[in-house]
Amino acid sequence: GEDVEQSLFLSVREGDSSVINCTYTDSSSTYLYWYKQEPGAGLQLLTYIFSNMDMKQDQRLTVLLNKKDKHLSLRIADTQTGDSAIYFCAVTSGGYNKLIFGAGTRLAVHP
Amino acid sequence: NAGVTQTPKFRVLKTGQSMTLLCAQDMNHEYMYWYRQDPGMGLRLIHYSVGEGTTAKGEVPDGYNVSRLKKQNFLLGLESAAPSQTSVYFCASSYFLAGASYNEQFFGPGTRLTVL
Repeated sequence: GEDVEQSLFLSVREGDSSVINCTYTDSSSTYLYWYKQEPGAGLQLLTYIFSNMDMKQDQRLTVLLNKKDKHLSLRIADTQTGDSAIYFCAVTSGGYNKLIFGAGTRLAVHP
Repeated sequence: NAGVTQTPKFRVLKTGQSMTLLCAQDMNHEYMYWYRQDPGMGLRLIHYSVGEGTTAKGEVPDGYNVSRLKKQNFLLGLESAAPSQTSVYFCASSYFLAGASYNEQFFGPGTRLTVL
């Protein structure tokens, strides 16, 4: 079946850029999402990209999509301690807005 | 608007007990979903519903049942709980707009369930 893979942990220094990577298998996915989960909370949509785009920028966030390699990345510029959270990559699969999620990348930001 | 709410927030069950988790949304969304979140495995879809009175199986439906008698509510039932069902359960809802650019899923805060 369809699969989405992410590395599980990333540690960065405050002020540096963070890059979280994701690979997926379903080439028919039309939308690809990044969700953020803070401790003890549900998931919130951070940003998304349509499959015919290569890049999307939204303030400190940059999403890059390499459709040929089925690779998605999220770059957070000037990472702050408030960015510490789990980041999930998700792709549409099978209609009805259904999503396949990666395992999540835990981002730790240290001084 | 409260968005998506889940009841209860925490629950401890003994093996073999039953319980129902309630999800409610006040955004008039057509689609609703139940996920479970386990360490290192992300979120996995249990069941979903595309409208009042309809339900469908997701990726991991065994041991769970669901009902959507009202558009705003989506219930997840465990008939005979097992330790393997210890998890955090999330409900989500999504609107449907024909021709829309994208359709965000809105998540509830989760229910932490422990089965002893």
